[in-house]
Amino acid sequence: SQQGEEDPQALSIQEGENATMNCSYKTSINNLQWYRQNSGRGLVHLILIRSNEREKHSGRLRVTLDTSKKSSSLLITASRAADTASYFCATDEGSNYKLTFGKGTLLTVNP
Amino acid sequence: GAGVSQSPSNKVTEKGKDVELRCDPISGHTALYWYRQSLGQGLEFLIYFQGNSAPDKSGLPSDRFSAERTGGSVSTLTIQRTQQEDSAVYLCASSLSGSSNQPQHFGDGTRLSIL
Repeated sequence: SQQGEEDPQALSIQEGENATMNCSYKTSINNLQWYRQNSGRGLVHLILIRSNEREKHSGRLRVTLDTSKKSSSLLITASRAADTASYFCATDEGSNYKLTFGKGTLLTVNP
Repeated sequence: GAGVSQSPSNKVTEKGKDVELRCDPISGHTALYWYRQSLGQGLEFLIYFQGNSAPDKSGLPSDRFSAERTGGSVSTLTIQRTQQEDSAVYLCASSLSGSSNQPQHFGDGTRLSIL
């Protein structure tokens, strides 16, 4: 199975609401990254959190990491229609060079 | 600014034909990755290049798949005798040195359809 598994698979919210997506993984990691993918496009890197960090912010994004539970969450505050996309977490499984991606959460933000 | 460029953006071909997919990474990025993404799925790792060498080819699904990189830059992924199950989006990514603590920069992919 995939190292990173996002939950939920799909999420539909209204503009202005917050969106929370979760990622669980199975083995120890050095880093965890979150990416966004708009329909028909490549992935865009959002944020990286290291295993010794618990929380990181970037604009309207907040990422948390709980290594004891092997889980991470991505919070998007005050969502906009333009945030509609699939969101993927990626873990390194302790690899020096390789990322393993989950199947993603499809976020729909309704205007 | 120049990002990762992939060509063609779409490719439709008949079963049994060979196809070549091209990736131009960001200039100066030594690491290059190929992934496959099936409809509604995550990314499946295919191969990792560091410079012109491929230290990890473990994700290539069969011997019909091969890839090369020349000049530490452009890479081509070749699929011989294509099958319908090869239909997918093929994504290329590059990163500065290949460390897993660096972001990967993706192209928009090649959508491959095998009739």
